[in-house]
Amino acid sequence: SQQGEEDPQALSIQEGENATMNCSYKTSINNLQWYRQNSGRGLVHLILIRSNEREKHSGRLRVTLDTSKKSSSLLITASRAADTASYFCATDANDYKLSFGAGTTVTVRA
Amino acid sequence: GAGVSQTPSNKVTEKGKYVELRCDPISGHTALYWYRQSLGQGPEFLIYFQGTGAADDSGLPNDRFFAVRPEGSVSTLKIQRTERGDSAVYLCASSLGQFQETQYFGPGTRLLVL
Repeated sequence: SQQGEEDPQALSIQEGENATMNCSYKTSINNLQWYRQNSGRGLVHLILIRSNEREKHSGRLRVTLDTSKKSSSLLITASRAADTASYFCATDANDYKLSFGAGTTVTVRA
Repeated sequence: GAGVSQTPSNKVTEKGKYVELRCDPISGHTALYWYRQSLGQGPEFLIYFQGTGAADDSGLPNDRFFAVRPEGSVSTLKIQRTERGDSAVYLCASSLGQFQETQYFGPGTRLLVL
C-alpha cells in the first residue's frame, strides 16, 4: 500500500514558470524525501526533509513540511525543459522503508 | 564512485519461467533495498538488507519471490514460476547505513512476462 499521495497527478507549465506539487500522507514520519524519475526508470534523489524541519532549499527547489497537516510541497522555480519528469514523495516512518505516492507528472513546454 | 547498477536492463520471459535480477550497490553502502514499480504507480517496497541479512522482507508478495545478499554487497532478486502480473520495473537502492539515510536508486530492470 502507498502512504503518500501527490497532487496534482499531472501539471503542464511554460518554461520559466514555477511548478508546485503537494504530497499528503497518513502516518507519523521520520523524514520525507522527494525523487525525480525520467522515462519510468531510475529515481534521482532531490531532497530529504526531516520531521523536525519545516523548510529546505536546494538550488531551484524548495520543500516545505507541515507535520500537523501531514503534508509537504515541492516548488521548482524558473522551470526548464529538463525538469520534465515524474516527481514522487516518499515517506520514511521507520528509518528504512520508503512509502511512495503515485507521483506528479510535470511537463515543461518550451 | 559509481552509482547503483542493475542487470539486466530489460528481461523478457515466458510465464512459468525462473528469473534472476542483479543489483550492485554503491561501494561501502551496508543497506540495500528492492522495490517494484508497476506502470503509473510509485515504487513499492519489497525487501531490505542490512549487511548480509534480510532485515525486513514483508513486502515480498508471495513465496515465489526470494532475495539474497550472501557477501553483503551484490544482491540477487529471484522470481520463480513467473506470472504475467510480475511484469514491472524492479528497482534496487542502497544507502550508507540504516537510519534516515538517502536511498540511491539504480536504473531498474524492466521485467516483461509473456
